[in-house]
Amino acid sequence: EDKVVQSPLSLVVHEGDTVTLNCSYEVTNFRSLLWYKQEKKAPTFLFMLTSSGIEKKSGRLSSILDKKELFSILNITATQTGDSAIYLCAVATGNQFYFGTGTSLTVIP
Amino acid sequence: DAGITQSPRHKVTETGTPVTLRCHQTENHRYMYWYRQDPGHGLRLIHYSYGVKDTDKGEVSDGYSVSRSKTEDFLLTLESATSSQTSVYFCAISGVHSYEQYFGPGTRLTVT
Repeated sequence: EDKVVQSPLSLVVHEGDTVTLNCSYEVTNFRSLLWYKQEKKAPTFLFMLTSSGIEKKSGRLSSILDKKELFSILNITATQTGDSAIYLCAVATGNQFYFGTGTSLTVIP
Repeated sequence: DAGITQSPRHKVTETGTPVTLRCHQTENHRYMYWYRQDPGHGLRLIHYSYGVKDTDKGEVSDGYSVSRSKTEDFLLTLESATSSQTSVYFCAISGVHSYEQYFGPGTRLTVT
């Protein structure tokens, strides 16, 4: 059975902290891993990772994939209150997508 | 934002009634998807389409059917709604050469 597991389930940090969100997966026919941010509405796309060891970066957010150990991490540095959201990890296998249940991040001023 | 709209945005219906949700895109993307999102389960794929009249089942397809007669429209039908189908439904689109998906605003469906 294909599955995607995210940890931690929730996280509360203070502004300025750095956080690391985890995503592990067990799937057949892995094609790509994706990260999304969801703020009480539709998920918005952050990153797509296909190759191991290549970091994707966008501002204070970065992500990397390890295809040997079957996991990815999403780092957020210098967190701001606007980073408060649920972060979703998904794995694409052919035309199917499997999502984790998400990590809920709360950033306190 | 990608040009994706969903209708209706909210619906309350009774058990046993048929319900159709519509997803409309203006991006001319080939792939379209229907998901449901429930607490504790995250997003789960119901059905997807890889072209006009070409559809396939996802992880949780029982009780749902879909149709795609035009590139821009993807319909999700609950033939006989049940309370277990109370959920938020999201449509998504993606292009041929990328797994990046862009989501519509969602439809909140309540089955009483």
